[in-house]
Amino acid sequence: GAVVSQHPSRVICKSGTSVKIECRSLDFQATTMFWYRQFPKQSLMLMATSNEGSKATYEQGVEKDKFLINHASLTLSTLTVTSAHPEDSSFYICSAIPVTDRQKLFFGSGTQLSVL
Amino acid sequence: GQQLNQSPQSMFIQEGEDVSMNCTSSSIFNTWLWYKQEPGEGPVLLIALYKAGELTSNGRLTAQFGITRKDSFLNISASIPSDVGIYFCAGRANFGNEKLTFGTGTRLTIIP
Repeated sequence: GAVVSQHPSRVICKSGTSVKIECRSLDFQATTMFWYRQFPKQSLMLMATSNEGSKATYEQGVEKDKFLINHASLTLSTLTVTSAHPEDSSFYICSAIPVTDRQKLFFGSGTQLSVL
Repeated sequence: GQQLNQSPQSMFIQEGEDVSMNCTSSSIFNTWLWYKQEPGEGPVLLIALYKAGELTSNGRLTAQFGITRKDSFLNISASIPSDVGIYFCAGRANFGNEKLTFGTGTRLTIIP
């Protein structure tokens, strides 16, 4: 149980285009999901908290208009990187808190974004 | 954002040896979680700790919630090649705030 599916696992795009990443909780419901960014050999950096049915809460320094988050259902959150630039290239990971066990956090498999 | 101090930063050990790593914080945490991450993958939850002094095992892994609530420890016994990866601790300070603070990670390398 507690499987979080993240797609795509890898994406290459041109500068200026937008990329959407999906995060699905497959066998549980999640009112809260988190989006992280990870640079090589570094820890996870929280970007935003995605709340089902309401606006996402962004961490300081994260541009909400650039990283659009939509949490439209109890099993799906999406992150759209708009007008991508090479500096947006990174490993993006989503995570979800099961409504039945709010002490735990389960991660997706991550998306490696490369912007050319 | 805030990070937990995790040590050691990296470890090179012989297969079969035991491994110990720890995580410390300047403030109290109410929940400690330990994760393992392999290259190109998301972190996988290994052990969750909820009470000070709690000792929990998951196979060859054992983790403890420090009595001061400012630290946690992870031990791996009789290491095997598939233990290779980066181990992260994560803590939650407030029950009402579900955000986790992550450690800086311990990179484990097994020497055959």
